[in-house]
Amino acid sequence: DVKVTQSSRYLVKRTGEKVFLECVQDMDHENMFWYRQDPGLGLRLIYFSYDVKMKEKGDIPEGYSVSREKKERFSLILESASTNQTSMYLCATASWGTTYEQYFGPGTRLTVT
Amino acid sequence: KQEVTQIPAALSVPEGENLVLNCSFTDSAIYNLQWFRQDPGKGLTSLLLIQSSQREQTSGRLNASLDKSSGRSTLYIAASQPGDSATYLCAVKRNTDKLIFGTGTRLQVFP
Repeated sequence: DVKVTQSSRYLVKRTGEKVFLECVQDMDHENMFWYRQDPGLGLRLIYFSYDVKMKEKGDIPEGYSVSREKKERFSLILESASTNQTSMYLCATASWGTTYEQYFGPGTRLTVT
Repeated sequence: KQEVTQIPAALSVPEGENLVLNCSFTDSAIYNLQWFRQDPGKGLTSLLLIQSSQREQTSGRLNASLDKSSGRSTLYIAASQPGDSATYLCAVKRNTDKLIFGTGTRLQVFP
């Protein structure tokens, strides 16, 4: 089974702090994704990466950056956290191949006060 | 622009009923369609994936169908149980890397 883990289930940070969310997968998947999920807005793609050190902007990249130094690890960085970044953050992975099925981590509920 | 709609937004049924969740998409040029389950405050669990060349997939009490020409997929849940209570999301993938998600159907199955 694919296992995707996220560094924290719940996180509380103050406005202006730099925040790191980490995602680790154990299935050697090339592709990794960061989404945020908000009531009424559904899931929105922030960034994705299809290879080590490669990244592509998703639909809402503003205020975020990412890092992928190793294949199994994809980090989301909030450079200066703001209250409108309070959300559920979900990491996902997928492999090239016939199915390209996405697998999700358990999520991190981030609150910025 | 691909849009994905799920109807109904919420559904409440007694245990034992067979039920159908609907997913519609506007652009039929999809690579695959995936159904997910999400429990409150948790991540998404993949239930079924249908490739664009397939018509249906089955897993246990779940059956998902795909009609690309009409832009529709249905998730059929047989003999529903209280443990099936969750939000169900569909997502379509085009030939780009992104998944486009629907807004979900919140299902409650009561004893």
